[in-house]
Amino acid sequence: KQEVTQIPAALSVPEGENLVLNCSFTDSAIYNLQWFRQDPGKGLTSLLLIQSSQREQTSGRLNASLDKSSGRSTLYIAASQPGDSATYLCAVWDNYGQNFVFGPGTRLSVLP
Amino acid sequence: NAGVTQTPKFRVLKTGQSMTLLCAQDMNHEYMYWYRQDPGMGLRLIHYSVGEGTTAKGEVPDGYNVSRLKKQNFLLGLESAAPSQTSVYFCASSYLPGVVNEQFFGPGTRLTVL
Repeated sequence: KQEVTQIPAALSVPEGENLVLNCSFTDSAIYNLQWFRQDPGKGLTSLLLIQSSQREQTSGRLNASLDKSSGRSTLYIAASQPGDSATYLCAVWDNYGQNFVFGPGTRLSVLP
Repeated sequence: NAGVTQTPKFRVLKTGQSMTLLCAQDMNHEYMYWYRQDPGMGLRLIHYSVGEGTTAKGEVPDGYNVSRLKKQNFLLGLESAAPSQTSVYFCASSYLPGVVNEQFFGPGTRLTVL
């Protein structure tokens, strides 16, 4: 059964810092990996999608990498801003289960 | 495009009452999903559908039923609500054949069962 974990569970950084969020999955047979952002009381917003054949994707200050063989993905946020404060979730499309499996999320606070 | 919409946004039920949550998507996606999100539990899949007329159980299906009579709609039913079903419910859709399988979420329905 595919399991997804995220470390750290919570992170607090001063504004301007570069930071890395981690996502690990137990079964490398994934179709893709997707990073989401969730603001309190809101739905999930898709940030980046990495296909299994890709190594990384970039969007603005965000860069996501994927290493299937080691079962890891990282989300790099450059020059963090208070507006980046949210919970970040990763999810993998599990080829066997034919479903998305979510991690528990990392709660990020960027202090002004 | 409206994307994924959910109706209603909020609802309060009494134990034993029934209700249906409606999810609609206008992206011609094949797959649709219902999740619940509880504090400390993360997102858990209730039921999903890989196409019109098909449904399947997810991780926590007990107490819920679903139907996908039209490709664009996915309904989640609670036949006899229980306080344990107090949660935020999210609908999502994905998979346009030939395009990457990116998942899109609705804004959520906050349900309280008294």
